[in-house]
Amino acid sequence: NAGVTQTPKFQVLKTGQSMTLQCAQDMNHNSMYWYRQDPGMGLRLIYYSASEGTTDKGEVPNGYNVSRLNKREFSLRLESAAPSQTSVYFCASSLRDYNYEQYFGPGTRLTVT
Amino acid sequence: AQSVTQLDSQVPVFEEAPVELRCNYSSSVSVYLFWYVQYPNQGLQLLLKYLSGSTLVKGINGFEAEFNKSQTSFHLRKPSVHISDTAEYFCAVSDPSGYSTLTFGKGTMLLVSP
Repeated sequence: NAGVTQTPKFQVLKTGQSMTLQCAQDMNHNSMYWYRQDPGMGLRLIYYSASEGTTDKGEVPNGYNVSRLNKREFSLRLESAAPSQTSVYFCASSLRDYNYEQYFGPGTRLTVT
Repeated sequence: AQSVTQLDSQVPVFEEAPVELRCNYSSSVSVYLFWYVQYPNQGLQLLLKYLSGSTLVKGINGFEAEFNKSQTSFHLRKPSVHISDTAEYFCAVSDPSGYSTLTFGKGTMLLVSP
């Protein structure tokens, strides 16, 4: 099992460019999450998907969109990147939608210039 | 709304010394509590979790935590740390709505020196 995989590992964008961060899990989990991590801020939830076909906003959704493509894949899109979106992005998944452990991917380090 | 406060942003300690990383939470309902560890340039890994039952929870790598409902705390402890324990530690509380969303504290960097 690869667990949770994320692509790309690193990305540099110019302000206004768009990109999609990809996430996939092979653990048959039904819930998936996107977080951003900034120094001194911990992890903040951007969007989550409790099950295939549903998505909900988290704490910091502005400037992002998500797609739950199927049970395995959950992508995060930046339509018009801004320097404030420079961050490390983590995808996570969990087995059931009630307080089970979340498994994290290795992260994507995004810089917007 | 829930919140998590990690009282120390950085904890320096010498190898083989004991350590306690403090975590307090705020919630109007019962919660589940977690400690995660992040080694440099890696994702997060679960150390331990409290769901119910015994308030003393044992995790991986010799760590343990005690849930104290009256003090709304979930402090992490290890009796003797190693250099390899140098990492950032995050306390998190679950969303009781049932969708497993987590609210994280801002993290505590544990720095173990020889």
